[in-house]
Amino acid sequence: AQSVTQLDSHVSVSEGTPVLLRCNYSSSYSPSLFWYVQHPNKGLQLLLKYTSAATLVKGINGFEAEFKKSETSFHLTKPSAHMSDAAEYFCVVSEGFTGGGNKLTFGTGTQLKVEL
Amino acid sequence: NAGVTQTPKFQVLKTGQSMTLQCAQDMNHEYMSWYRQDPGMGLRLIHYSVGAGITDQGEVPNGYNVSRSTTEDFPLRLLSAAPSQTSVYFCASSMGERETQYFGPGTRLLVL
Repeated sequence: AQSVTQLDSHVSVSEGTPVLLRCNYSSSYSPSLFWYVQHPNKGLQLLLKYTSAATLVKGINGFEAEFKKSETSFHLTKPSAHMSDAAEYFCVVSEGFTGGGNKLTFGTGTQLKVEL
Repeated sequence: NAGVTQTPKFQVLKTGQSMTLQCAQDMNHEYMSWYRQDPGMGLRLIHYSVGAGITDQGEVPNGYNVSRSTTEDFPLRLLSAAPSQTSVYFCASSMGERETQYFGPGTRLLVL
């Protein structure tokens, strides 16, 4: 069975400083991994995804994530935070399963706060 | 291109009432799914469909029914609403396994 652990429920950074949102996963198979962002009262937007190609994945808005199989991690980073990055971030693992389908397992989310 | 649309955006129900949350996509995606989002719990899969006429249960299916008569539509039915079903509901679609899921804007449901 797959699972996702987001190690921090809240992260606070100053504008212009680096962002690190941590995610560990477990999966029986080679997973696909995603990061989604949710701004207040909005739906979920895909930031980036890993599907067994390059281990360093670049996403939108300057975010990137590195897949480390040995550490079962998929941490999200950004060199310089912007006020508009304040949102909730979800790490997600996806496995195909018997009968077809695409089951996503979500982490519990990390709330990112960006301060002036 | 509308993507994934959901209606209504917000609904208040009394305990025991029934209602249908609508979801439609115009991307010709085979896979569609319903999730509920509750504070501190991420999103949990309610039901999913791998194509028209095929549906199956997810992680938290009790109290919900679905059907998939067309590729485009995937409605979620609450047969007898309970306060525990107060949540934000998201519909999603994707081209196939391991593909990016596209989410609708969500329906906020309050059951009194």
